[in-house]
Amino acid sequence: GENVEQHPSTLSVQEGDSAVIKCTYSDSASNYFPWYKQELGKGPQLIIDIRSNVGEKKDQRIAVTLNKTAKHFSLHITETQPEDSAVYFCAASYGGSQGNLIFGKGTKLSVKP
Amino acid sequence: SAVISQKPSRDICQRGTSLTIQCQVDSQVTMMFWYRQQPGQSLTLIATANQGSEATYESGFVIDKFPISRPNLTFSTLTVSNMSPEDSSIYLCSVEDSLDTEAFFGQGTRLTVV
Repeated sequence: GENVEQHPSTLSVQEGDSAVIKCTYSDSASNYFPWYKQELGKGPQLIIDIRSNVGEKKDQRIAVTLNKTAKHFSLHITETQPEDSAVYFCAASYGGSQGNLIFGKGTKLSVKP
Repeated sequence: SAVISQKPSRDICQRGTSLTIQCQVDSQVTMMFWYRQQPGQSLTLIATANQGSEATYESGFVIDKFPISRPNLTFSTLTVSNMSPEDSSIYLCSVEDSLDTEAFFGQGTRLTVV
C-alpha cells in the first residue's frame, strides 16, 4: 500500500542553524504534500504545503522542495528559534483528495538556545 | 483557514462504554475526515465523513466500531464504541478548506480508556 518515509526521527540543532527534514512517498498519483507542526497537547498545524506542479515553495524561514521524479520532498527551516521546537510531520495525499493523507512518522525537532 | 472545534478535548472512559466526539467547522466544507493518533505515533486516517451518505472507512477500521455521522456541511461526529484500553488515542477531525486546497486539523480529543 501507500507509504511515506520520514527522516530523521529526531533532530537537534543550535539556535540560528538550519534544519532539514526529508520524506519519500510511494504513490506516484500523490499530488499534495503538506507539512504539519505539532506542539505538545495540540493538534497538527499546517505550516506549508506544495503541489506536484511546483518544485519549490518558500514562506519566510520555511521552504519546501519537491522532486516528483524521485518521489522525494523536504522541509527546510532556516535561522531556527527555540519556538520551532516541536514534532514535524510530512504527509502525501492519495485517492484524489487533499484530506486523504498518509503521514510520515514524525521528526522531533529540538532547537537549543 | 477553517476554524475547527472539537468536543470534548479530553475524556477518561471505562472499558466497554462508548464516546461520541463532535467536530464543528466555522464554514461549510465538502470533505471532513477523522484521524487517530496513538500515543507517540503518527496520524492514521480512520474514515472520510460524507454529507448525505455513508462514511468511507480505511482498511482496518469498521463502521460498527467507529460509527460516523455527517448531518450537514459544518458538523460531524465520531463514536468510539465498546472501548478498550487499546482505543486510548488522540482522535482528530480534519477538513479541506472551501476551495479544496488545504487540509486543516482540529485540536483533537485525547481519549484514555481505563
